[in-house]
Amino acid sequence: DSGVTQTPKHLITATGQRVTLRCSPRSGDLSVYWYQQSLDQGLQFLIQYYNGEERAKGNILERFSAQQFPDLHSELNLSSLELGDSALYFCASSPQVREDTQYFGPGTRLTVL
Amino acid sequence: SQQGEEDPQALSIQEGENATMNCSYKTSINNLQWYRQNSGRGLVHLILIRSNEREKHSGRLRVTLDTSKKSSSLLITASRAADTASYFCATGGGNKLTFGTGTQLKVEL
Repeated sequence: DSGVTQTPKHLITATGQRVTLRCSPRSGDLSVYWYQQSLDQGLQFLIQYYNGEERAKGNILERFSAQQFPDLHSELNLSSLELGDSALYFCASSPQVREDTQYFGPGTRLTVL
Repeated sequence: SQQGEEDPQALSIQEGENATMNCSYKTSINNLQWYRQNSGRGLVHLILIRSNEREKHSGRLRVTLDTSKKSSSLLITASRAADTASYFCATGGGNKLTFGTGTQLKVEL
């Protein structure tokens, strides 16, 4: 158990809908990262937050947004969902902004029908 | 985009045998990490090797790094059924990790 929690575990929704994925980092970790894992794209970095501020952006679609709250938990919002958004979404955390090792949560499996 | 390519894509061995998987990457790195993923679950950090290191050990794991060839290998000795998982190399660190395509390892009894 990495200490990173993610909810929900599974999410099934329809195209066009909006969902929110939640992540609680390990106790004391200030950085939160979001990744998407799909069969065709593999594991892709989406976005990083550090202590409430956005620090780095990867291949994140404009339909997706994230934020980190004062208690350091983070949410990833996915809107206007498409079939291709079906994937595993992972959150990871690390103590500081430029740590090498990241600790991953169990993931949220999103299925868009 | 993937930074690394892993080889083989899939590997099936008997318990007790050694498993070797390779990772090639494209750009200069400060370090390279290996992660394990059990059947669609979260990734678990295994080992990190820095660019000035050539070899590192952790329990039954041995990692080598050849920066001139931009490649790394992960050796799991005396494999167990519980080692069945996907293994990913990752480069970067700091703001983001860039993962390879992964090797699916199956260890059979």
